Amino acid sequence: EVQLVQSGAEVKKPGESLRISCKTSGYSFTNNWIGWVRQTPGKGLEWMGIVYPGDSDTRYSPSFLGQVSISADKSTSTAYLQWRSLKASDSAMYYCARHFTGTTFVYFDYWGQGTLVTVSS
Amino acid sequence: SYELTQPPSVSVSPGQTARITCSGHALPKQYASWYQQKPGQAPILVIYKDTERPSGIPGRFSGATSGTTATLTISGVQAEDEADYHCQSADTKSPDSTNTYVIFGGGTKLTVL
Repeated sequence: EVQLVQSGAEVKKPGESLRISCKTSGYSFTNNWIGWVRQTPGKGLEWMGIVYPGDSDTRYSPSFLGQVSISADKSTSTAYLQWRSLKASDSAMYYCARHFTGTTFVYFDYWGQGTLVTVSS
Repeated sequence: SYELTQPPSVSVSPGQTARITCSGHALPKQYASWYQQKPGQAPILVIYKDTERPSGIPGRFSGATSGTTATLTISGVQAEDEADYHCQSADTKSPDSTNTYVIFGGGTKLTVL
């Protein structure tokens, strides 16, 4: 059974750093892209980027490039989303999801349960 | 920038057919996918590659694309289908797909009256 289990909710102050995780099981972590999606009440779902754990190839949405870092640890089948300096506008629900892609298609077939990040002074 | 446009809300009575549209200029070249999201839950894939249904998704869910519009159809709507539905596709910047960006629509709230 494919499972993506995310780390728990976080409350942080502006300027602090944060790394949230997504531990996977039930499939070949190394050979599948895995991505992160942000959800805020006002803007719906937003694709942030993806990583291919096999070679750490990483792609970012232009909206998030330079704002976050996405990585993967093959030894623990875990993907990460990291911020160096949080802003209040980073407050949102974050989902990891397995990412299937081909020349003419892309979709997310399994999702984590979500990690709520709250940034407030 | 590329956008996918969905109606904010659709309402139907139980047993009727719900149709949710998603418009985008690249849909003739890139397949659409659809996700169901209930309050407090993660999205669930209900349609991928325009018309394919993952295992476990009821047969009343179907998808189609014509030109620049993808449509999710729910036949014989049930109360449990009340949820937000998000369409998703891609915007390929280069022929070898090295710069393929994922795009989501704004979401449609389906209300079962």
